[in-house]
Amino acid sequence: GAGVSQSPSNKVTEKGKDVELRCDPISGHTALYWYRQSLGQGLEFLIYFQGNSAPDKSGLPSDRFSAERTGGSVSTLTIQRTQQEDSAVYLCASSPGTSGRGLYNEQFFGPGTRLTVL
Amino acid sequence: QQQVKQSPQSLIVQKGGISIINCAYENTAFDYFPWYQQFPGKGPALLIAIRPDVSEKKEGRFTISFNKSAKQFSLHIMDSQPGDSATYFCAASWTGNQFYFGTGTSLTVIP
Repeated sequence: GAGVSQSPSNKVTEKGKDVELRCDPISGHTALYWYRQSLGQGLEFLIYFQGNSAPDKSGLPSDRFSAERTGGSVSTLTIQRTQQEDSAVYLCASSPGTSGRGLYNEQFFGPGTRLTVL
Repeated sequence: QQQVKQSPQSLIVQKGGISIINCAYENTAFDYFPWYQQFPGKGPALLIAIRPDVSEKKEGRFTISFNKSAKQFSLHIMDSQPGDSATYFCAASWTGNQFYFGTGTSLTVIP
């Protein structure tokens, strides 16, 4: 079946512009996560959606970042007034809560969107 | 504050050797410790995971060793192969909450 998809795969923008990054999770997955991965760095948590609960926004680095998840499925991460330090790969992951492997809360990652702010 | 500390940053191993990557955590509430493998241009993929009620979990050539009292866990890759060359991330989480990832280890297995 289809995995997590993200679009666009690459985005080049100018400083000060707004960008929207899209994530299509695996159908039926109740949890959705956004992470940021800078060159040579680990994964920085941004935001977490779980079902109909209020999202955990504790990882968003500034009020220029926001995300929404419509209908419990597709999610959009919006970065307003982009800065050069926003350049990174933005990864989305979804989770069913439990998986067929009996593993707790396994996350399935998309391929990421590489954002470059000039 | 880094919730999960990972070492080494990079590792070079000969084919057939054992690769060992270590992680340490602070929060005793964590109850799930996965390891992820990431190839260039791809998202991370779950490799193996452990709960704190066991001290070791093995899947094929991959083993997690878990030391609850020391708040440490490690990934052992036995008979390392060139195809294992990738970046490995440890992580920690607790029920229904966010995941905290280590900074990653770049593994190179030399043929």
